[in-house]
Amino acid sequence: SAVISQKPSRDICQRGTSLTIQCQVDSQVTMMFWYRQQPGQSLTLIATANQGSEATYESGFVIDKFPISRPNLTFSTLTVSNMSPEDSSIYLCSVDVSLGTDTQYFGPGTRLTVL
Amino acid sequence: AQTVTQSQPEMSVQEAETVTLSCTYDTSESNYYLFWYKQPPSRQMILVIRQEAYKQQNATENRFSVNFQKAAKSFSLKISDSQLGDTAMYFCAFMKHLGGGGSQGNLIFGKGTKLSVKP
Repeated sequence: SAVISQKPSRDICQRGTSLTIQCQVDSQVTMMFWYRQQPGQSLTLIATANQGSEATYESGFVIDKFPISRPNLTFSTLTVSNMSPEDSSIYLCSVDVSLGTDTQYFGPGTRLTVL
Repeated sequence: AQTVTQSQPEMSVQEAETVTLSCTYDTSESNYYLFWYKQPPSRQMILVIRQEAYKQQNATENRFSVNFQKAAKSFSLKISDSQLGDTAMYFCAFMKHLGGGGSQGNLIFGKGTKLSVKP
């Protein structure tokens, strides 16, 4: 596995503002993933972030709302833009550190509350 | 499209006893992976166990084992000698195997089973 950290661990934001969440891994990984977990729900993939290329978004998620950066092989950011209370969720990043095993390990998550 | 169903929203078990969590899935793929993750109140998603669909042998990790029935599309998790620290949400997840090494696929999660281990 790997050590995956996220910042911030939690935040309370006002509607209409934006928040950038950071994900840091202690080893180089090709692909990083961003998930959303709405209250009491399961996880849903937002996008896949590949270093050196544009992120690939899942249906229902758009780049203007959730811009993603992937400047190097150990770091990624997800921004939640123009927030509304419906964006209140836990946001988790995951990585696959074991080539060939197709196994994702998760960061500790960021709990976002939008007022 | 793939779907994952966990039919038990909540379960409880006495400490030191055995409990089985159910998971069924639907897919037309022949090559895929199945996972169980646990999410304690700290919200950290922790990998419990992993199964490759082409392997007939059921995966085991210490007190955790699975019963993988490919034809029935069933993937249950058995926790033996339950401990208080096993209290968590348990999510079953599916991922299509795309080959080439490294995760290239979307993890499809079930809705989860909340497990409480009672002293």
